[in-house]
Amino acid sequence: NAGVTQTPKFRILKIGQSMTLQCTQDMNHNYMYWYRQDPGMGLKLIYYSVGAGITDKGEVPNGYNVSRSTTEDFPLRLELAAPSQTSVYFCASSPTGGYTFGSGTRLTVV
Amino acid sequence: TQLLEQSPQFLSIQEGENLTVYCNSSSVFSSLQWYRQEPGEGPVLLVTVVTGGEVKKLKRLTFQFGDARKDSSLHITAAQPGDTGLYLCAGVTNAGGTSYGKLTFGQGTILTVHP
Repeated sequence: NAGVTQTPKFRILKIGQSMTLQCTQDMNHNYMYWYRQDPGMGLKLIYYSVGAGITDKGEVPNGYNVSRSTTEDFPLRLELAAPSQTSVYFCASSPTGGYTFGSGTRLTVV
Repeated sequence: TQLLEQSPQFLSIQEGENLTVYCNSSSVFSSLQWYRQEPGEGPVLLVTVVTGGEVKKLKRLTFQFGDARKDSSLHITAAQPGDTGLYLCAGVTNAGGTSYGKLTFGQGTILTVHP
């Protein structure tokens, strides 16, 4: 099993550009999450989904959008990239217990 | 907003020493999880503690959940260089009695164990 797969691993964006961070899981988990991790700040929840077609905002949703058309995929969209969105982004999934995280996408906005 | 305060933020010790990491909150959590994260990777779940007062052992790691389910600790005995990493605690909040759990993370403890 691949677990949770995130692409790309690294990306540099210019201010105002858009991009989609991809996340796929092959464990048939209903719950999926997007977090961002900044140095010394732990992980902050951006969006989450409890199943296909259902998404909701987390703690820091501004500047991001998500969709969940299938159980497997949970892409995160950045519409107008800003320097404040420079961070490491983690996707995770869970059945009802512990989370399985992907290996992250390191995004730099310049 | 629920907050989890983790201490210390940084810990640098010699191989063979013991250490304790603390995770404190004013909020009650359904359960609490501990993760370990290595550079360039996502966090990996170490343990989930569910019952107030619960103690779980994982080889040289001992996890404790406070009686009031507001705090937790991680104790490592005879630390080894392989224990080096970022340790994160995360409180689980179950929404409205459902099985879905949302995590609130502490800011992490960076542990370095020198040979």
